[in-house]
Amino acid sequence: DGGITQSPKYLFRKEGQNVTLSCEQNLNHDAMYWYRQDPGQGLRLIYYSQIVNDFQKGDIAEGYSVSREKKESFPLTVTSAQKNPTAFYLCASSPPLAGGNYNEQFFGPGTRLTVL
Amino acid sequence: RKEVEQDPGPFNVPEGATVAFNCTYSNSASQSFFWYRQDCRKEPKLLMSVYSSGNEDGRFTAQLNRASQYISLLIRDSKLSDSATYLCVSPYSSASKIIFGSGTRLSIRP
Repeated sequence: DGGITQSPKYLFRKEGQNVTLSCEQNLNHDAMYWYRQDPGQGLRLIYYSQIVNDFQKGDIAEGYSVSREKKESFPLTVTSAQKNPTAFYLCASSPPLAGGNYNEQFFGPGTRLTVL
Repeated sequence: RKEVEQDPGPFNVPEGATVAFNCTYSNSASQSFFWYRQDCRKEPKLLMSVYSSGNEDGRFTAQLNRASQYISLLIRDSKLSDSATYLCVSPYSSASKIIFGSGTRLSIRP
């Protein structure tokens, strides 16, 4: 089945450690995104990538890093520099922009990161 | 003014009722809009796209008012399963600006 997978579903980390969240898609989408969601809040964009080997910072990129070596994969690293990393992390992908309209995004199931 | 603003609710309505909520946006250049549904502790899932004046899908109707810069979501004959948070999204024409509202919580009671 086509879709987006994220792993792990739950992740616990000690303060000061880096951790990498996985995101894989087999939808052949060009664009991929990482969002953070805090309780009772909307989604905030961390990083996005429109093409392999290229990515851009979103609104809250500090303390995070990404790579896009393959079209299917867009891993997110939460570094020790991120001061408040406990959150729900969502990865999404979307097909190319078409006719001036923006295409919808398809989300993975998310990873809940808790810093102990 | 926030770029995308939603009434957080919660909207608490009886089963079978009609409920509507709005989402205001500030960028008049936005071409398309989306409503997503998010269940508790789950990922958002696309509910409806709105590219022109509106869209209807079964019990759900989304309308776009460009003059007043808002989109609305109307749910008719509400079901218990409609209980969720509804997120409004206003993407700009560039990938860097995808703005999610903070969501409207809807609770349908028996």
